Amino acid sequence: DTAVSQTPKYLVTQMGNDKSIKCEQNLGHDTMYWYKQDSKKFLKIMFSYNNKELIINETVPNRFSPKSPDKAHLNLHINSLELGDSAVYFCASSQGLDFPKETQYFGPGTRLLVL
Amino acid sequence: AQKVTQAQTEISVVEKEDVTLDCVYETRDTTYYLFWYKQPPSGELVFLIRRNSFDEQNEISGRYSWNFQKSTSSFNFTITASQVVDSAVYFCALTNYGGATNKLIFGTGTLLAVQP
Repeated sequence: DTAVSQTPKYLVTQMGNDKSIKCEQNLGHDTMYWYKQDSKKFLKIMFSYNNKELIINETVPNRFSPKSPDKAHLNLHINSLELGDSAVYFCASSQGLDFPKETQYFGPGTRLLVL
Repeated sequence: AQKVTQAQTEISVVEKEDVTLDCVYETRDTTYYLFWYKQPPSGELVFLIRRNSFDEQNEISGRYSWNFQKSTSSFNFTITASQVVDSAVYFCALTNYGGATNKLIFGTGTLLAVQP
């Protein structure tokens, strides 16, 4: 019954590795997002996809590549991980019909620790 | 530029006290939406409320109430008779109107600790 799910919940890895985080929503929404929450709890958008099409890319390093195989999934692949990538990554979704007023529903977050 | 300011970094209260979390926003848009989210210690982000810029009526939901004042660009959140389960980080957020930009601009959050 989970509306927005993410896997894994925790990810511990070495610098330089490549890793992926998966996100799935069962709300029937057309728009999905990735946000990053840093160690000070600051939340900032990274990407947004609408109907599998990228609509927001917030000057994120190109080591981060989102991929949307279908409307219900938005995965985040990170190449050559750096210490500064350690954060909590949240996936979210919204209906995708009337953007400004839509409520975004968030997944449980993926806690990434780069050693 | 759009901005959300939550000046209170941490607030500590004793159970049953009332507490108000402040949120001040900046936007050039005439139509915008404001949100509050709760992040409990378990880490998920829980949606609490959405308010549009044309509706200045205060809203009450159980022990929660929200005071939106356009004149002061504020959207404050009050918890009445706080409980330990209210302990969390609370985020105020703003979206803008129009185009394909539908990102949430978050404040830095207020950590609320409710002591038994």
